[in-house]
Amino acid sequence: QKEVEQDPGPLSVPEGAIVSLNCTYSNSAFQYFMWYRQYSRKGPELLMYTYSSGNKEDGRFTAQVDKSSKYISLFIRDSQPSDSATYLCAMSRSSASKIIFGSGTRLSIRP
Amino acid sequence: NAGVTQTPKFRILKIGQSMTLQCAQDMNHNYMYWYRQDPGMGLKLIYYSVGAGITDKGEVPNGYNVSRSTTEDFPLRLELAAPSQTSVYFCASSYDPNTEAFFGQGTRLTVV
Repeated sequence: QKEVEQDPGPLSVPEGAIVSLNCTYSNSAFQYFMWYRQYSRKGPELLMYTYSSGNKEDGRFTAQVDKSSKYISLFIRDSQPSDSATYLCAMSRSSASKIIFGSGTRLSIRP
Repeated sequence: NAGVTQTPKFRILKIGQSMTLQCAQDMNHNYMYWYRQDPGMGLKLIYYSVGAGITDKGEVPNGYNVSRSTTEDFPLRLELAAPSQTSVYFCASSYDPNTEAFFGQGTRLTVV
């Protein structure tokens, strides 16, 4: 079993829709949760960062962590064509030496 | 602000050739990583380093070697290139694993 599971998609939604992207994980020691966005032919860039459980909102983006279910989500409101990218979840634990990435979900927003 | 710089951007290798992918960061980060990303796939960790002189294997280290003689540089060496090493290679750095990782623009490698 992989430490982090993420549906690869692709996911295609119309402009203006609410998008929900999800990851599950198996290691209960994970405490730091991140979402990276990767545009085509570019390196990933950090989009959202959350420590432990709870919600974090930044503009149209909301990151949610449910440690009891080992489940994290990224919500995108009022999706735009410019949101079309691959979204990778990532997580780590205290005293860790590396970040563990999900396989990424390819998202396409149709105008 | 240069961030993480990778060279070259593109390279075609013949089977059996060797090459070094260069990675340099100017943020004084201790942690550096090498990933490969196959088409439509996520990031697979090849090697990582927690500081100058210290390196460790990731999940797919076979066929690769690294060194970390300075904080700034973390080159990845491919010996005896194979078609299975055709991929996009990303170098990244971070202050520590629990903070933001900064990625380079990637090196697209094709082995024919």
